[in-house]
Amino acid sequence: QKEVEQNSGPLSVPEGAIASLNCTYSDRGSQSFFWYRQYSGKSPELIMSIYSNGDKEDGRFTAQLNKASQYVSLLIRDSQPSDSATYLCAVHSGTYKYIFGTGTRLKVLA
Amino acid sequence: DAGVIQSPRHEVTEMGQEVTLRCKPISGHNSLFWYRQTMMRGLELLIYFNNNVPIDDSGMPEDRFSAKMPNASFSTLKIQPSEPRDSAVYFCASTTSGAGGIQYFGAGTRLSVL
Repeated sequence: QKEVEQNSGPLSVPEGAIASLNCTYSDRGSQSFFWYRQYSGKSPELIMSIYSNGDKEDGRFTAQLNKASQYVSLLIRDSQPSDSATYLCAVHSGTYKYIFGTGTRLKVLA
Repeated sequence: DAGVIQSPRHEVTEMGQEVTLRCKPISGHNSLFWYRQTMMRGLELLIYFNNNVPIDDSGMPEDRFSAKMPNASFSTLKIQPSEPRDSAVYFCASTTSGAGGIQYFGAGTRLSVL
C-alpha cells in the first residue's frame, strides 16, 4: 500500500462545476496536510494547508480533513479552465519527511 | 524574496558525464530538500538537509548521486557518472519551522541524459 494515494485521473469537469479531489494516507501520526498545484512543466505551488479536522476555506478552494478516516480532500468551486493542472497531496508526519502522492490530473472543460 | 533559485533550468548531457545541479534556498529557511520527479514515480525525496547537515539520504538512488550543503545559502546535487535513467526533473525545496511545514519549490532542473 502506498503511503499517500490519489486517483491519477484525469478528472474532467465542466467549467463552473465543483471539482473534488481526494487523497488517503497510511500514517496515523500525520499532522500536516497540503495540496499543491502543478502546471505542466512548472514546479509545485501551495494551494492549501490544513492541520486539524474539518473544513478550511480559501476563496474557491476548500480543504477537508478527516483524520479518523485518514482522508483529505480538496474542493474547487466554480472551476475554471485555468484550474486545469495536476494536484499533489502531501502529508507531513511531524518529522522532516513529507510524502507526496502521485497527483490527480484535473481538466476543466470550457 | 526571490524564492528558491535553481540552476541550470535545463541540462542536456551524454551518458557518463558529470552533472551538477545547484540550489539557493529562501533566506532564513533552515531545511532543504532535493526531489526527483518522473511520470512513473512521481515526486521522490532524494535527500534532506537541516541546518546544512544531511539528515536523511536514503532516497539517493545509488553512489553515483551525492549532495552537499556547504552553507545555509547553497546546495549542490551531483551525478557522476550520469545515465539515461537519471533523466528527470530535479526540484529543490526549502522550508523553516515557522512556515507551518509549507515547502517552497524552485523552478526545477530538467535533466536529459542521452
